[in-house]
Amino acid sequence: SAVISQKPSRDICQRGTSLTIQCQVDSQVTMMFWYRQQPGQSLTLIATANQGSEATYESGFVIDKFPISRPNLTFSTLTVSNMSPEDSSIYLCSVASGDQETQYFGPGTRLLVL
Amino acid sequence: TQLLEQSPQFLSIQEGENLTVYCNSSSVFSSLQWYRQEPGEGPVLLVTVVTGGEVKKLKRLTFQFGDARKDSSLHITAAQTGDTGLYLCAGVSYGQNFVFGPGTRLSVLP
Repeated sequence: SAVISQKPSRDICQRGTSLTIQCQVDSQVTMMFWYRQQPGQSLTLIATANQGSEATYESGFVIDKFPISRPNLTFSTLTVSNMSPEDSSIYLCSVASGDQETQYFGPGTRLLVL
Repeated sequence: TQLLEQSPQFLSIQEGENLTVYCNSSSVFSSLQWYRQEPGEGPVLLVTVVTGGEVKKLKRLTFQFGDARKDSSLHITAAQTGDTGLYLCAGVSYGQNFVFGPGTRLSVLP
């Protein structure tokens, strides 16, 4: 398994501002994932972040709104840009196991946009 | 597009009762996972099943993967208040992304 930490754990932001969420893993991993979980909902994949290449975004998510960095094999950031109240969600990062059959999640970042 | 359905969506039971939640799809998965998510936390992995027909037990929790690897069930015996949470199933196929079900929200009352 992997131990994953996220910063900040929660934040309240004003409309139009941006927030960068950090994800740190205790071991080197090839793929990191960013998910959004809206209130009372399941998880929706935003993008897959590979080290040394651009992130791959899912349908409905674009790089201008959710820029991602992956500077090394243990760290990634997700920025939520030009926020609106509709961006209020839990944002989760995760990593896949070596056999790619399981994911391990961070504790999440709870974002409220006013 | 691969989809996972879960039932029931909500479940409220008394402590000590048994329950089963289901995860179904029309797609075949190479493996399927069950997670529990408590308020304010990220999802925590409970089990991964990879073989059709496989049954795994984790204390009072019994997980089964369907023979055709399209569905799974989670059975909890003698539920406790600590079992309260959102139960998510997720499937993965070779070369594909993980797909998450909508979740079953379980409330175990004392």
